[in-house]
This record gives sequence, C-alpha cells and structure tokens, in this order.
Amino acid sequence: QKEVEQNSGPLSVPEGAIASLNCTYSDRGSQSFFWYRQYSGKSPELIMSIYSNGDKEDGRFTAQLNKASQYVSLLIRDSQPSDSATYLCAVNPYYGQNFVFGPGTRLSVLP
Amino acid sequence: DTEVTQTPKHLVMGMTNKKSLKCEQHMGHRAMYWYKQKAKKPPELMFVYSYEKLSINESVPSRFSPECPNSSLLNLHLHALQPEDSALYLCASSQRGGQDEQFFGPGTRLTVL
Repeated sequence: QKEVEQNSGPLSVPEGAIASLNCTYSDRGSQSFFWYRQYSGKSPELIMSIYSNGDKEDGRFTAQLNKASQYVSLLIRDSQPSDSATYLCAVNPYYGQNFVFGPGTRLSVLP
Repeated sequence: DTEVTQTPKHLVMGMTNKKSLKCEQHMGHRAMYWYKQKAKKPPELMFVYSYEKLSINESVPSRFSPECPNSSLLNLHLHALQPEDSALYLCASSQRGGQDEQFFGPGTRLTVL
C-alpha cells in the first residue's frame, strides 16, 4: 500500500526561527513531490514542487528531496505567524497515478 | 488567469435534494479532479477527468455523479446524500495530469441535514 507519512504535530516554533517539516513515502518508484499549505477552513495552496534529488529554494521556502532515503522535507526560514497552517506533503507514485497525501503537519509560529 | 473557481461556496441540502457543484478553470488544463476533505484529514480523491474523459473513479457511491461538459468545466451532481457526506469538496486542475502540479479551487462547504 502506498503511504505518505508526516511528522505528527502540532509543531511550534518562535517567530524568526526555521521550521522543518518532514515527509517519508513508501513507494520507491515515486517521481514527483509537492508541498501544500492549508489555512483552517481554506483550500490547499501549492508552495513547492520538487522532482530531482537535492534542494530547491523559493524565497523563504526550501524543499529537499532524497529519493534513496525516500524522504522529502520543507524548510521555512524566518518563520512568520502568517505561516501558521497545516502543511500537506503529496507524492505522485509513478506516471499515470495520482497524488497520495500525507496526513499533514500543523505548524504554529508563535509571535 | 491562474485560478480555479468553484460555486457555490456553501451548500446546505436535505437528504432528498438534488444539487450540483460547479468548477471552472481557464488555464488550458486538461486534467480535472474532485476531492472530498473531512475536518483534520487530507483531501481524498474521488474522480479524475483526463482530456474530458473519466479516468479514475475511486469507488465513490453512485449518489455522487461527475460530469465534464468541456475542458474548462467540471460538475459534481449530488442526489440522496447522507449526513456523513458533509465535507469540503475541492476541485483541482493540472496541465496534463500524472506528474503535473495540481491547483485547487476554494472549495464548496457542503452540509447534509
């Protein structure tokens, strides 16, 4: 069974700190990986996509992928209270299949 | 235009009602999705349309009936729903499906009485 796991929250960090969100997946054939942010009562918003091993940076966000370890992470630098949300990891196992979402990690950034 | 729109935002219906949810995108995307999301859970895939053809039906009860009139529009017809069907219904689209990024609409909050 294809599974995506995320570190259980809630994760609390002080304002200005680095928030680290982790995701592991079971299907070694997975090809594409996505991070979504979801505020309470709203829909998921795509933050990052990553397809190759290594780091991908976009502003304060860095996604890291290690296919050998079946691990993808999201780092949020200079965390702001507005970053407080649930972060969903989504994995596409292989071409033609659809996303498998992790359960989400709730992040709270404390002023 | 990089937006997926959904109507209505909120819907309350009785178990004997028939209603429809609508989704529209003008990004030229050829894959469209319906998801259901319960509180504190991740989105759960219901249907996938690829190039206007139903390609995935994740064993959804027949009281949910999808329709894709054209490449920009996606409907979800609802009939004889149960209270446990109350949830946030999300539409998403992607360029071609498969590995492509999915973009979500704002959702329809459905309450079944």
